[in-house]
Amino acid sequence: AQSVTQLDSQVPVFEEAPVELRCNYSSSVSVYLFWYVQYPNQGLQLLLKYLSGSTLVESINGFEAEFNKSQTSFHLRKPSVHISDTAEYFCAVTKSLTGNTPLVFGKGTRLSVIA
Amino acid sequence: EAQVTQNPRYLITVTGKKLTVTCSQNMNHEYMSWYRQDPGLGLRQIYYSMNVEVTDKGDVPEGYKVSRKEKRNFPLILESPSPNQTSLYFCASSLSMGRSYEQYFGPGTRLTVT
Repeated sequence: AQSVTQLDSQVPVFEEAPVELRCNYSSSVSVYLFWYVQYPNQGLQLLLKYLSGSTLVESINGFEAEFNKSQTSFHLRKPSVHISDTAEYFCAVTKSLTGNTPLVFGKGTRLSVIA
Repeated sequence: EAQVTQNPRYLITVTGKKLTVTCSQNMNHEYMSWYRQDPGLGLRQIYYSMNVEVTDKGDVPEGYKVSRKEKRNFPLILESPSPNQTSLYFCASSLSMGRSYEQYFGPGTRLTVT
């Protein structure tokens, strides 16, 4: 069964500093990887996804993540964070887009951006 | 507007008193699911439904029931709530199970069982 490990439960960072939120997965088969964001008092929203093709994927608000198969990682990065990026971020994995395989979420990383 | 609605948003109840949390989506989605979110544990799936009358257990189904009699609704039932079911609950829907990564999430229901 696949699983997801988010190595940091909380990440404080100053505004305009770079940030990396780490995500590692375990699976013996090919996987599809996702990052979700949860702003305070809201549900989750899909931030970006890796399905196939380029291993570097980007979101519309400046985040990017790189699929690294050899390191089984899918870390989320942003070169310069803003106060509005304060949220909880969840990494997720599934091994099938067509079969009966639910999405598995990591435990989340709370990003706090400090002014 | 495409959305998933949940009711109630907040609920405080006592041990053993049956309750239902409703979930409704207006996008004609086939796949719906329920999650609970607890600090340090992330999201864990309770039940999911691939279509009307088709439901299956997720990772933490004990103490919960669901039904899917209509495509748009997927209520979560706690027959005899206990304090360990105090949590934040999310309903979500997507076009299909294969597109579950594009789930729309509801706003959440914060449940406290005393």
